[in-house]
This record gives sequence, structure tokens and C-alpha cells, in this order.
Amino acid sequence: DAKTTQPPSMDCAEGRAANLPCNHSTISGNEYVYWYRQIHSQGPQYIIHGLKNNETNEMASLIITEDRKSSTLILPHATLRDTAVYYCIVRAHFNYGQNFVFGPGTRLSVLP
Amino acid sequence: NAGVTQTPKFQVLKTGQSMTLQCAQDMNHEYMSWYRQDPGMGLRLIHYSVGAGITDQGEVPNGYNVSRSTTEDFPLRLLSAAPSQTSVYFCASSYRQVYGYTFGSGTRLTVV
Repeated sequence: DAKTTQPPSMDCAEGRAANLPCNHSTISGNEYVYWYRQIHSQGPQYIIHGLKNNETNEMASLIITEDRKSSTLILPHATLRDTAVYYCIVRAHFNYGQNFVFGPGTRLSVLP
Repeated sequence: NAGVTQTPKFQVLKTGQSMTLQCAQDMNHEYMSWYRQDPGMGLRLIHYSVGAGITDQGEVPNGYNVSRSTTEDFPLRLLSAAPSQTSVYFCASSYRQVYGYTFGSGTRLTVV
């Protein structure tokens, strides 16, 4: 699976949009971009994933650049409960021999 | 619908003891896996399963055994506990490889 690069930490004011970037310049055509988050001491929580089109669900939006070498996770109205470590992962579709590789992620702090 | 249930939540073992960490899911997910998370590190894959009766090793399998006799259950056995196995263990499941994983709440294991 392709490697990802994320900033180690970011701050965001409560109520504002949080934009978390991720670089994945070596992504292959069959690899999806996944986002998870982990709130302190809890299990990771799936947020969203996409292949090449922008995606939106009840939690967030995922914007993938046209060349697919980078993406941005957008939390539209961040709350204090969104403070967590956010992981960007790329992995191949139906790649039975591999599993998710969680790197260091981005520690997002939502400030009141 | 309980999702992924892990038991116990906390455990202290003496070096050399054996134990089984339990993981059960009620979502009829085909894929299940075990990760360990250590301070300052991401999640490292121990073992995974693509269906009942099928298991395979991940990145850090030494000292651990798994079996998958049913779709619902995927226990992780520590054969002879060592202090290096002190960690937080997460079980995860997914309907298909391409979908997001659902994680359990974790088991905090301390080996003394």
C-alpha cells in the first residue's frame, strides 16, 4: 500500500471547519483513500473513504485532487468532541494479503 | 446490534501465563483482524482472517495464535506472556475489504 504523509498536529476553533491534509503521491490506480480517527483510549472510528470522486457523509467530506496525489478531510463544523488523532490510509481494493497500516496520523485539537 | 465486542477490557498477567482475548461481532462481517497499539506508534497488525476457517499472519504475529471457527468470533491467544506484549489490543471487522473497519473498544493488557 502507498505511504501517506500528514502533519503531526493541527488546531481548529470550535464551530469552524477543520481541514486535514494528506499526501499520497505514490498512490496506485486501485487504491482507495480512507480516513479514521481515534479519540483518546478508544478504538479507531471509521470516517469516510473514496477512490477518485469527492465523498460526503454525515460526519465529513473527503476531497481528492484530480491527480489523486493528495486529499483533504473536512469536518464542516468542528466540536470539542472532534479532538482526536486522524489517520489517512491508502490501500488497494480486495487486497486480501494486506491490511490497514496506521501511521502516526494528525493530532487535531479543537479549541473553545 | 452490539458491533465489535472485546473482553476483557483490562487484564494483568504474570510473565509466562497464557490467556485468550475475546472478540465477537454480530454484523456478519467476513473480515476480522487483531491489532496492537503501543505508545507513540500506530496500529500494528497481528493476525487477520478473511472468513471462517481462514487465518493469516500480519506484521507482528510472534507469540500470538488465532483461530476462526465461526464468522462471529476471532479470539487471540497469548501463549506465554512476556512484558513486551504489554499493549492495547484492538479487534476490528469489515463486511468487505473495501469497506471501513469497525473497531472494538480495546483490551489493555499489562504483563509483569
